[in-house]
Amino acid sequence: AQKVTQAQTEISVVEKEDVTLDCVYETRDTTYYLFWYKQPPSGELVFLIRRNSFDEQNEISGRYSWNFQKSTSSFNFTITASQVVDSAVYFCALSRWGGYQKVTFGTGTKLQVIP
Amino acid sequence: DGGITQSPKYLFRKEGQNVTLSCEQNLNHDAMYWYRQDPGQGLRLIYYSQIVNDFQKGDIAEGYSVSREKKESFPLTVTSAQKNPTAFYLCASSIGGGSNSPLHFGNGTRLTVT
Repeated sequence: AQKVTQAQTEISVVEKEDVTLDCVYETRDTTYYLFWYKQPPSGELVFLIRRNSFDEQNEISGRYSWNFQKSTSSFNFTITASQVVDSAVYFCALSRWGGYQKVTFGTGTKLQVIP
Repeated sequence: DGGITQSPKYLFRKEGQNVTLSCEQNLNHDAMYWYRQDPGQGLRLIYYSQIVNDFQKGDIAEGYSVSREKKESFPLTVTSAQKNPTAFYLCASSIGGGSNSPLHFGNGTRLTVT
């Protein structure tokens, strides 16, 4: 069985602070995909990044960066110099290789950036 | 602009009534999905469809039904058999049904049943 744990339910930071959102996953598969999605107050989830289990390179996109470590089964997300527009619920998700898209979502971390 | 449209945004129903949630996409995606979101529980898959006229049950299909008569449309009916229907419902689509395809979501429908 797959499981995704986002232990941080809510985080509050002051604007311009850096913040890391944790994601720990469990799977018996050797091949899988990891995702991060952002859910702003408007409700729709927005895709941020996808990583496959063969690619442990960290990725940076503007103020966003992701740290994937298979040894600790973690896929953490860091926002540098946070902004009020970053306030949202962030979901980490795990997908099995092959077949239909069976995605397991974490419970989400609500980030509030205070001006 | 391409995207997924869910309507209505808010829906109120009396207990015992069936209700249908609309989901339309113009992304030309093959696969479509319905998720339910409850506070503190993340997203749970209700139904998914990889092609027209075919759909499969997800993890929590009991009390729900769907149809996929057109590629663009994937309506969800919440029946009176659903024990706890009040929730936020999200429709999604992906280019293919493969596990590596990112999901594109609609804005959701918040259903309240009293």
